[in-house]
Amino acid sequence: KNEVEQSPQNLTAQEGEFITINCSYSVGISALHWLQQHPGGGIVSLFMLSSGKKKHGRLIATINIQEKHSSLHITASHPRDSAVYICAVRSRSGAGSYQLTFGKGTKLSVIP
Amino acid sequence: DAGVTQSPTHLIKTRGQHVTLRCSPISGHKSVSWYQQVLGQGPQFIFQYYEKEERGRGNFPDRFSARQFPNYSSELNVNALLLGDSALYLCASSLYLSLEAFFGQGTRLTVV
Repeated sequence: KNEVEQSPQNLTAQEGEFITINCSYSVGISALHWLQQHPGGGIVSLFMLSSGKKKHGRLIATINIQEKHSSLHITASHPRDSAVYICAVRSRSGAGSYQLTFGKGTKLSVIP
Repeated sequence: DAGVTQSPTHLIKTRGQHVTLRCSPISGHKSVSWYQQVLGQGPQFIFQYYEKEERGRGNFPDRFSARQFPNYSSELNVNALLLGDSALYLCASSLYLSLEAFFGQGTRLTVV
């Protein structure tokens, strides 16, 4: 079983729809990242959070540390939001060292 | 301000050869991490360096090695290439070990 599980794996939405992507993890973490990866491969960091909720434009990320669960919401989705969204958790891997463990990603396609 | 830059962007090598991938972190960032992403999967942690010292290593064979230079740039070396080493190799930098990571565009390595 992967330490970081995302759902759904694939998501198709109509433009304007509200989208939710979920992430569950099984390890203790110091922070959780939501990342966006476009077909070219480069990864953009959307959020890093360790508690509560963060909002940036149409994107909202929440985390529940007790339940080991995070969600990424996209309001009023647009075709340019089409990408792979990856959840990654940051945990200690040794003395003074941190490691990112990634989910497999959720491929989002927003249709005009 | 330049982001994380990786070179080359694409590379084709033959089985058994050696490859060196390069990463320049964001100016002022002292930590560099390397990740391998095979098609359809999330990235896997390979190495983390901070202040020129290895601070973390993922579950990769000894054919993989890395180093960080005094200017904080980094190289990832892979010896005796196998077909399974074909992947997108991502570099990420952060100011310190525990802070938000910023990713480069990646180097796509194809082993034939």
